[in-house]
Amino acid sequence: GAVVSQHPSWVICKSGTSVKIECRSLDFQATTMFWYRQFPKQSLMLMATSNEGSKATYEQGVEKDKFLINHASLTLSTLTVTSAHPEDSSFYICSARDIVSYEQYFGPGTRLTVT
Amino acid sequence: EDQVTQSPEALRLQEGESSSLNCSYTVSGLRGLFWYRQDPGKGPEFLFTLYSAGEEKEKERLKATLTKKESFLHITAPKPEDSATYLCAVHEPSGGYNKLIFGAGTRLAVHP
Repeated sequence: GAVVSQHPSWVICKSGTSVKIECRSLDFQATTMFWYRQFPKQSLMLMATSNEGSKATYEQGVEKDKFLINHASLTLSTLTVTSAHPEDSSFYICSARDIVSYEQYFGPGTRLTVT
Repeated sequence: EDQVTQSPEALRLQEGESSSLNCSYTVSGLRGLFWYRQDPGKGPEFLFTLYSAGEEKEKERLKATLTKKESFLHITAPKPEDSATYLCAVHEPSGGYNKLIFGAGTRLAVHP
């Protein structure tokens, strides 16, 4: 139980294009999902908190117009990186908080490379 | 400011050589301390949640303990498959959404 999936697992895109990453909780419901970014040999940095049916809350320094978040249902949140640049290349990880247990479970991550 | 500090940054052990990883925290009103395991190129895997000083939890060769200022992850007789980065995190209750603040992690390498 408590499985979170992400799609795609890796993506390569050209500078200036947009990329959408999906995060799904497969066997539980989550009113809250979180999006993190992780650079090599560094820890996870929270980018934004996604809430079902309402606007996401972004951490200081994260551009909300660049990283668009949509949480359309209790099992799906999406992160769209708009007008991607090479410095956006990173490992993006989502987590979902179980509505019953309040435990957070992480997805396997998405490796984004912007060329 | 709430902080989570993990030590050591990296640890190399021989198979069977027990040791402990440390996670010290400064947070007003701890609402949970979490341990995760992360393998390269993968998302963190949940291990334990601790809520109050004195609490202990075990899973196979791992045992997590909590005091008022720090947590330890004890690894007994480790095996090469225990090699991973171990992350500690605490809940920051700002905004009511219970964000997790992560430490930098301890990279553990267990050699046969």
